[in-house]
Amino acid sequence: EAQVTQNPRYLITVTGKKLTVTCSQNMNHEYMSWYRQDPGLGLRQIYYSMNVEATDKGDVPEGYKVSRKEKRNFPLILESPSPNQTSLYFCASSLLTGRNSPLHFGNGTRLTVT
Amino acid sequence: SQQGEEDPQALSIQEGENATMNCSYKTSINNLQWYRQNSGRGLVHLILIRSNEREKHSGRLRVTLDTSKKSSSLLITASRAADTASYFCATARNSGNTPLVFGKGTRLSVIA
Repeated sequence: EAQVTQNPRYLITVTGKKLTVTCSQNMNHEYMSWYRQDPGLGLRQIYYSMNVEATDKGDVPEGYKVSRKEKRNFPLILESPSPNQTSLYFCASSLLTGRNSPLHFGNGTRLTVT
Repeated sequence: SQQGEEDPQALSIQEGENATMNCSYKTSINNLQWYRQNSGRGLVHLILIRSNEREKHSGRLRVTLDTSKKSSSLLITASRAADTASYFCATARNSGNTPLVFGKGTRLSVIA
């Protein structure tokens, strides 16, 4: 089944403890992206990647890192999480750049930083 | 930065009625897409309409695009309780290779 898989689904952590949210897609998509969703603010892009070894900042990249060493994987790294990074995170992928083809979303990771 | 803005923010209708949601945007676009999100889940792509198209249909969904008014509408006909979800428009700007920008969504409740 074609899908975008994020793990974990829920994560509770403490301020400053490094964490990684994994994202993997099995559709051979070129484009991958991370979003965070907060009440009243909608969906905001954190980072995106047009292809392997090519990543770019979105609208809210501060406090996050990403890597794209393989086409299928696009992990999101929080080196030193803070409470303002408590949010619902989504990974998405598309065949072409996200602007020209539909995005496929994972089921989300709900992160709480205390 | 927000590009598309949906209207209304929330909509409540009876099962069987039609639901119309609107999206306005600010700059010229390459295409506009509509997505649905069930509570707490990932977004699901519904329709992509290109800037040179005026109307597109998919099952009970009808999307229109008016580039002169920089607006789009999503019509769901004969709504069902299962249509209860949030609906988002996303725009792809015409210039450069910038990614999709999502609006804040319309929360639709269909009451059985």
